[in-house]
Amino acid sequence: QKEVEQNSGPLSVPEGAIASLNCTYSDRGSQSFFWYRQYSGKSPELIMSIYSNGDKEDGRFTAQLNKASQYVSLLIRDSQPSDSATYLCVPLTDSWGKLQFGAGTQVVVTP
Amino acid sequence: GAVVSQHPSRVICKSGTSVKIECRSLDFQATTMFWYRQFPKQSLMLMATSNEGSKATYEQGVEKDKFLINHASLTLSTLTVTSAHPEDSSFYICSAPARGHQDTQYFGPGTRLTVL
Repeated sequence: QKEVEQNSGPLSVPEGAIASLNCTYSDRGSQSFFWYRQYSGKSPELIMSIYSNGDKEDGRFTAQLNKASQYVSLLIRDSQPSDSATYLCVPLTDSWGKLQFGAGTQVVVTP
Repeated sequence: GAVVSQHPSRVICKSGTSVKIECRSLDFQATTMFWYRQFPKQSLMLMATSNEGSKATYEQGVEKDKFLINHASLTLSTLTVTSAHPEDSSFYICSAPARGHQDTQYFGPGTRLTVL
């Protein structure tokens, strides 16, 4: 069973709209989650981290964690073409910092 | 923010040769570094955990004798792909959590390896 499940997409979003990305996870013990963005041919870059239930906002990004439902989401407001990338929902799997990456969701923002 | 560098960024080698990739934390110490591999259109796969001063821990299915990891100092880990073959062609990425802050990973820019 996969650690996390994400819709692979592509998720097509008009410029200026809100992109909504969802992620479910299987391990109830997972405490920390990260949203990474990866452009084609580049390494991942951290967008948001979230550790507790509720919402966390940072600029145009809002992450939400619901541990009871084992659900993590990311909203991107006012989507820009530069937001076109693969977004990865990544749980922290151990205390040493080991991360487990899935395929992520490809987002395409159309002008 | 913290920076992790990798060298080289791209390397092309002949089949059967060995290639060394360096991963450096530039402004922080890292007792642990992670090595990932990513094939085209696939997800990052963790290969191994590099531990300063001790042996690396390899993920299941990764050949430790083929992918030699050395973590000689608190700022440098190296991955050597020995006797490289075309199927080893991939994007190799390292990451390092800041010491004492394992929940914050800094990724290197990656090394594109092409084996002819």
